[in-house]
Amino acid sequence: DAGVIQSPRHEVTEMGQEVTLRCKPISGHNSLFWYRQTMMRGLELLIYFNNNVPIDDSGMPEDRFSAKMPNASFSTLKIQPSEPRDSAVYFCASSLSTGEGYTFGSGTRLTVV
Amino acid sequence: EDQVTQSPEALRLQEGESSSLNCSYTVSGLRGLFWYRQDPGKGPEFLFTLYSAGEEKEKERLKATLTKKESFLHITAPKPEDSATYLCAVQPGYALNFGKGTSLLVTP
Repeated sequence: DAGVIQSPRHEVTEMGQEVTLRCKPISGHNSLFWYRQTMMRGLELLIYFNNNVPIDDSGMPEDRFSAKMPNASFSTLKIQPSEPRDSAVYFCASSLSTGEGYTFGSGTRLTVV
Repeated sequence: EDQVTQSPEALRLQEGESSSLNCSYTVSGLRGLFWYRQDPGKGPEFLFTLYSAGEEKEKERLKATLTKKESFLHITAPKPEDSATYLCAVQPGYALNFGKGTSLLVTP
């Protein structure tokens, strides 16, 4: 099992540009989570999908952020337009059920200049 | 509001010097308490899940315990390869709420 796969690993973009982060969860997992990690705030949940349906997006900071899960094997997190304060490490995680621990991907380090 | 507080923020140990990390929590309806290890540049790696007060789990030099208000991660005779950030998380519902972690450095 290749685990949760995220791409790209690093992204540097200019303020105002659109950024798309990608995630492939573990096959068979039905829950997918997007988290953001910063030194100041630690790991924060952005959005949770169950069976490809967004269940809770209350952690999405503002309308500039959007997430999709078109099928069980792929999810995207898009920021448009990006701002310097969006700079962080973004993690995707998946689980078999909501009662068990997650498996995290290696993250995407986003830098907005 | 659910809260998770980890202490200390940072800990430096000599190889072989045992110690404990603390995770205090307030949550309405705990479904589980989780410990993760995170190495620089990597995602958190799952270590343990504890579900009820009094429960204990062990893995190599690590032992996690749980009470109604806190959890401890005991590290016995640590080695330099145990250096990492250790994260605690509670699961009141479907999501995990994480503490900010304890950064552990074990020196030879």
